[in-house]
Amino acid sequence: QQQVRQSSQSLTVWEGETAILNCSYENSAFDYFPWYQQFPGEGPALLIAIRSVSDKKEDGRFTIFFNKREKNLSLHIKDSQPGDSATYFCAASRGYNVLYFGSGTKLTVEP
Amino acid sequence: ETAVFQTPNYHVTQVGNEVSFNCKQTLGHDTMYWYKQDSKKLLKIMFSYNNKQLIVNETVPRRFSPQSSDKAHLNLRIKSVEPEDSAVYLCASSLGLGGAYEQYFGPGTRLTVL
Repeated sequence: QQQVRQSSQSLTVWEGETAILNCSYENSAFDYFPWYQQFPGEGPALLIAIRSVSDKKEDGRFTIFFNKREKNLSLHIKDSQPGDSATYFCAASRGYNVLYFGSGTKLTVEP
Repeated sequence: ETAVFQTPNYHVTQVGNEVSFNCKQTLGHDTMYWYKQDSKKLLKIMFSYNNKQLIVNETVPRRFSPQSSDKAHLNLRIKSVEPEDSAVYLCASSLGLGGAYEQYFGPGTRLTVL
């Protein structure tokens, strides 16, 4: 059973739009939720993360919205740029235990 | 340059052969990991090493074995590869053990088993 689910395998938006990537999880004990960004030919890299005590985390154009009751979260990318085209992985862990990854959403930003 | 380095980038082999992948981190981290990324991009942890002690082994087949000479190196050996082993193998490191520490990934080794 997959612990972390990402509802869309792929998403295409136009440059300047807000891209919204969705994620849900199974284990209500998870308390740390990072998003990793992966470009072709590279390993994933941490983009932004949120802890379950917060419902929102913002870093520049990237914002995580977190809903503990519904066990879901979303990554919003404001003013999307072609350089944001990558695969985005939602992940979850309980404290310092194993990190579980979703299967990723491939974002394409069209100029 | 401080980063996570993996060799080789690609490897093509026949069923039943033995392969070995290398990973080295120059970040001074205490923990290293091996992940398998399948054709659908799903990332699954295989092993974690913290100060040369194996911490996690998530039901990985016995033909896989991690090998570490020191905390900066973690290699992966696969005895007698099978077709389902075709994937990208990603090495990562972090300052401490577990998901709440930022993980730094290498570029991966793509294995193709014919």
